[in-house]
Amino acid sequence: LAKTTQPISMDSYEGQEVNITCSHNNIATNDYITWYQQFPSQGPRFIIQGYKTKVTNEVASLFIPADRKSSTLSLPRVSLSDTAVYYCLAQNAGGTSYGKLTFGQGTILTVHP
Amino acid sequence: EAGVVQSPRYKIIEKKQPVAFWCNPISGHNTLYWYRQNLGQGPELLIRYENEEAVDDSQLPKDRFSAERLKGVDSTLKIQPAELGDSAVYLCASSSRTTGYLPYEQYFGPGTRLTVT
Repeated sequence: LAKTTQPISMDSYEGQEVNITCSHNNIATNDYITWYQQFPSQGPRFIIQGYKTKVTNEVASLFIPADRKSSTLSLPRVSLSDTAVYYCLAQNAGGTSYGKLTFGQGTILTVHP
Repeated sequence: EAGVVQSPRYKIIEKKQPVAFWCNPISGHNTLYWYRQNLGQGPELLIRYENEEAVDDSQLPKDRFSAERLKGVDSTLKIQPAELGDSAVYLCASSSRTTGYLPYEQYFGPGTRLTVT
């Protein structure tokens, strides 16, 4: 499974747009980019998933360039409640590793008033 | 719809004692996962079940850890005997294969925080 690299921490302020970039240079053809969010004392929660170009849902947008070696999670107008750890993962869509999640350390996002 | 249920939420035991964690996945989810999360780290997969079958247990320390999912619904993860290094949060997750090609979303429970003294 492809290894992902993301910043250890980021700081932002309420109302700002936050972009978290993830690097995945050796991503496989059948890997999807998946982001999870985790609050303290809770399990991770699925945010968004994509293969290439742009995906948007009610929570976030995900931008994946044509070479798929990186991706950017965009959180519009963050609030204090968006303070959490964000994980970028390459999730396999085929073979025996189908659906397997391999978590890294994640990015600790702190939103300030 | 109820989410993934885990119990207990917290457990403190002395080293060398046994401990068990229970998980009830979302109704209809055939795939169940157990993860371990150490402080400051992301979750690490211990075992994955497809219905009753353990299809990936390569990361499960089999000398002291065991798991079962007898009827393909709820599951139990056991540690015997526990060691100091087993202190962590144990997370259970479940998912259901969709009819499409996309990897399916995993739904996590709140976890059990284990402290071994």
